[in-house]
Amino acid sequence: GAVVSQHPSWVICKSGTSVKIECRSLDFQATTMFWYRQFPKQSLMLMATSNEGSKATYEQGVEKDKFLINHASLTLSTLTVTSAHPEDSSFYICSAKDVVAGGLGPGELFFGEGSRLTVL
Amino acid sequence: DAKTTQPTSMDCAEGRAANLPCNHSTISGNEYVYWYRQIHSQGPQYIIHGLKNNETNEMASLIITEDRKSSTLILPHATLRDTAVYYCIVRVAGGGFKTIFGAGTRLFVKA
Repeated sequence: GAVVSQHPSWVICKSGTSVKIECRSLDFQATTMFWYRQFPKQSLMLMATSNEGSKATYEQGVEKDKFLINHASLTLSTLTVTSAHPEDSSFYICSAKDVVAGGLGPGELFFGEGSRLTVL
Repeated sequence: DAKTTQPTSMDCAEGRAANLPCNHSTISGNEYVYWYRQIHSQGPQYIIHGLKNNETNEMASLIITEDRKSSTLILPHATLRDTAVYYCIVRVAGGGFKTIFGAGTRLFVKA
């Protein structure tokens, strides 16, 4: 089945540094990818919609200059947490939409395994 | 997308059926019901979806009421590995596939 891979699975960084998380669709092309963050014992919160070749669309309250999203190819989207602070520590999850599959299909949206960021 | 209401948590004995309810009273005619689950520290996993007919696959069954205002996910023989948070989501099929997650139901399967 289709796979979405995130890298790194976990990362620890110092406060003030920037961290990049990659989301790759391994065997399908994705014009649209979604980025979520999840705090402990909470649900997933949609941060932004990443569109290949265009600017990302951010949800209300999400700082676009803080969370930089680049979707340069049909198989890769990156999320960069700039000047990270301890409050940015979270579980970041991406999902990808299969551009080929049309109509109704659960296989059209796949989730990565998540990336855990810890900012010291 | 319509909002959903789910119980915060449920317990189920191993080997028994787990029945997880979801209320979606404001669902629109073109919105489908999707179920995902998230095992601790992993990404969400698709389970099943439906529009108005009951659906069954190798993982679960989905029962949708005739008025479509509620549904029940049934795991026929729960195992310890089914312990997870289960999310009921209503969403228009196709399109942008933007998916908003509610709080979900935390299912504990006990031996």
